[in-house]
Amino acid sequence: DVKVTQSSRYLVKRTGEKVFLECVQDMDHENMFWYRQDPGLGLRLIYFSYDVKMKEKGDIPEGYSVSREKKERFSLILESASTNQTSMYLCASRLDQGSDEQYFGPGTRLTVT
Amino acid sequence: KNQVEQSPQSLIILEGKNCTLQCNYTVSPFSNLRWYKQDTGRGPVSLTIMTFSENTKSNGRYTATLDADTKQSSLHITASQLSDSASYICVVCPLTGGGNKLTFGTGTQLKVEL
Repeated sequence: DVKVTQSSRYLVKRTGEKVFLECVQDMDHENMFWYRQDPGLGLRLIYFSYDVKMKEKGDIPEGYSVSREKKERFSLILESASTNQTSMYLCASRLDQGSDEQYFGPGTRLTVT
Repeated sequence: KNQVEQSPQSLIILEGKNCTLQCNYTVSPFSNLRWYKQDTGRGPVSLTIMTFSENTKSNGRYTATLDADTKQSSLHITASQLSDSASYICVVCPLTGGGNKLTFGTGTQLKVEL
């Protein structure tokens, strides 16, 4: 079974703090993704990575950056957290070839106060 | 802009009853359409996948249909169980983008009650 894990299920941070969300997958997938999920808006792509050290902006990259130093790990960074970044953050991964199915982690509920 | 719209937003049914969830999309051309199930506090899990040339796909008590002409899909749940309570998300994969940029619906929240 594919397993995608996220470092925290719940996180509370203050405005202006630097926040790191970590995601690890154990299936040697090339592609990894960060989404945020808000009520009434569905999942929106923040960034994705198709290889180590490679990244591409999604639909809503503003206020976020990412890092992929190892194939299995993809980090989302909020340089200076703001209250409008309070959301559920979901990480996903997929193989590059053969299937576009994305496998999701359990999510991190981030609250910025 | 590519869109995926789902209806109803929420639904409550009694255990054992059937229900149908709807998905309308504008993504064109598209590679495939998936239905995901998202339990509370968990990430989405794929239930079914249909390419543009398929019009039905089953997974146990879940049956998805696709009408590529009208750009509509539905997910039918038969003999519902309490464990079916979840959000169901319709996801369309455009033909371009290499499978990395999906378009997600906002989901239908289903609650199954005794």
